Amino acid sequence: GNSVTQMEGPVTLSEEAFLTINCTYTATGYPSLFWYVQYPGEGLQLLLKATKADDKGSNKGFEATYRKETTSFHLEKGSVQVSDSAVYFCAPRNQAGTALIFGKGTTLSVSS
Amino acid sequence: GAGVSQSPRYKVAKRGQDVALRCDPISGHVSLFWYQQALGQGPEFLTYFQNEAQLDKSGLPSDRFFAERPEGSVSTLKIQRTQQEDSAVYLCASSSSRGTQYFGPGTRLTVL
Repeated sequence: GNSVTQMEGPVTLSEEAFLTINCTYTATGYPSLFWYVQYPGEGLQLLLKATKADDKGSNKGFEATYRKETTSFHLEKGSVQVSDSAVYFCAPRNQAGTALIFGKGTTLSVSS
Repeated sequence: GAGVSQSPRYKVAKRGQDVALRCDPISGHVSLFWYQQALGQGPEFLTYFQNEAQLDKSGLPSDRFFAERPEGSVSTLKIQRTQQEDSAVYLCASSSSRGTQYFGPGTRLTVL
């Protein structure tokens, strides 16, 4: 079945630094891809998504591009803020196209 | 509009007790998912409903776990004879058919 490998954290950055969190997947076909974020004390929230190859998802300054050649969906942000401190999860859909398969999560800590 | 709600938010059970966790999905969402999130890990799929039909229960870890959605709206996840390894956060998500999944705040289950 489909699976995902996500960059291990924690990632510690200073405010305004550039962020990349790597995510690669193995899949049958081309599943929709998602990034979810979990802020401290809060539930999982959708950050962005891409439903087909070469699509770019973007939200709140974060971007990720669906790369079928490298089976990757890396998350990037040009200038992080303290408020971006959270746990980030990469998640392709499963082979049936229903449930999500989550990575282990990457903890981001941004200091001022 | 109202999001996904779950109750109780916290549950402490003695080993061997039965527990029932409730999920109220977003109104009109036909798909409902249950996930289990262990401490420091990403959520793992448990089971999936489309309306009242349980279409996938491949993630349920044992026959002590049972889920139902009798009227195609509210869902209950029941765990019989709880064990310490059942301690986790149980997340419910709902979506329109094959749409984006929206997550509830979760129920944190602690088995003593």
